[in-house]
Amino acid sequence: GAVVSQHPSWVICKSGTSVKIECRSLDFQATTMFWYRQFPKQSLMLMATSNEGSKATYEQGVEKDKFLINHASLTLSTLTVTSAHPEDSSFYICSPQDVYEQYFGPGTRLTVT
Amino acid sequence: QKEVEQDPGPLSVPEGAIVSLNCTYSNSAFQYFMWYRQYSRKGPELLMYTYSSGNKEDGRFTAQVDKSSKYISLFIRDSQPSDSATYLCAMSGAAGNKLTFGGGTRVLVKP
Repeated sequence: GAVVSQHPSWVICKSGTSVKIECRSLDFQATTMFWYRQFPKQSLMLMATSNEGSKATYEQGVEKDKFLINHASLTLSTLTVTSAHPEDSSFYICSPQDVYEQYFGPGTRLTVT
Repeated sequence: QKEVEQDPGPLSVPEGAIVSLNCTYSNSAFQYFMWYRQYSRKGPELLMYTYSSGNKEDGRFTAQVDKSSKYISLFIRDSQPSDSATYLCAMSGAAGNKLTFGGGTRVLVKP
């Protein structure tokens, strides 16, 4: 089956700093990457969609200057949370898509103090 | 009103019982229906994938889709404590399109 990795799995940072989360598809090429955010006991909320080499498309209400997404290659995408604040504390999950099937990474837990 | 509604639970059942989960939706354009299982602080994993109406069975899992009623179900037979997790339904209008998720139902299978 498809293998997706995310790094780090858990990060604690101070308010005002930036955090980068990496997502890799280890055994397939992801033409499209979805990034989700999930608050405790809530469902996944789509933040943005990106295609390799193109700018990401952000969902309504998601600040594109705060959540920077880079999809530079078919196997790597990064999400950078800039100037993080406590309200950005959440579980971030990447979801690379291989043609039609969408896979999910193990998630990154971000805690902003 | 949300596009996809799912009872949050928790749903508590004894080991060996049948777990019955369902979602309703409002968008008649949805044609692809998925069920995911998510353990705490982990990413979702795909359990069942169904296109259009009908039933699909895979081991202890059965997925049903009734497009006329905009209602989908997942049944888990012979439930095990390891089935304790949150179950998310998801759907899309076309293959490869972004998914719309239900809120998830937390299931607890008691030994």
